[in-house]
Amino acid sequence: DIVMTQSPDSLAVSLGERATINCKSSQSVLYSSNNKNSLAWYQQKPGQPPKLLIYWASTRESGVPDRFSGSGSGTDFTLTISSLQAEDVAVYYCQQYYSTYTFGQGTKLQIK
Amino acid sequence: QITLKESGPTLVKPTQTLTLTCTFSGFSVSTSGEGVGWIRQPPGKALEWLALIFWNDDKRYRPYLKSRLTITKDSSKNQVVLTMTNMDPVDTATYYCAHRSGYTSGTFDYWGQGTLVTVSS
Repeated sequence: DIVMTQSPDSLAVSLGERATINCKSSQSVLYSSNNKNSLAWYQQKPGQPPKLLIYWASTRESGVPDRFSGSGSGTDFTLTISSLQAEDVAVYYCQQYYSTYTFGQGTKLQIK
Repeated sequence: QITLKESGPTLVKPTQTLTLTCTFSGFSVSTSGEGVGWIRQPPGKALEWLALIFWNDDKRYRPYLKSRLTITKDSSKNQVVLTMTNMDPVDTATYYCAHRSGYTSGTFDYWGQGTLVTVSS
């Protein structure tokens, strides 16, 4: 299995400030055939299923606000929320789909 | 619009076999590129992918659970079924089924609401 490690485990950010979550994979998830990173980010609120935010490391899913952005390549990736809103309080997961599927342990995002 | 819904028992005894059904609409699992997966989440813990079935009946399983899992599809009923044998209390979790997009994201873009399965005698 490819192991996904997120940091930090929890994060408290003030409303309107930037939130940054990191994700590291145990091996590269870059497909050489299409030069795309098989990395997704999900948001999960209490009592709800995960919601896909970002795929191919940096492509926003339809309907996702543009304050959410993804970056990185190879083994190191970042999810950035440019201006935190109250509704962004959730647990965020990275996931690789280069070799089957594995998720990170999650990062809990709260308001400071 | 794609929707998925999981159904099955909420309580199973240790050593029993769990059978979960995912009933979906808005796509056909026999269409090239499509897939349906199962993911679980123990209470308060992270997500864990379990199994995936593709439109061409190709199947993938989480390696350490492969001996216990079977995934099948019934395209005529728009259903995918997951069976897990020899259930243990550590298998207590919310089980989700999800649509795997073959042509855009390459991963799980639509999820069911999940069903909580408790393993206890």
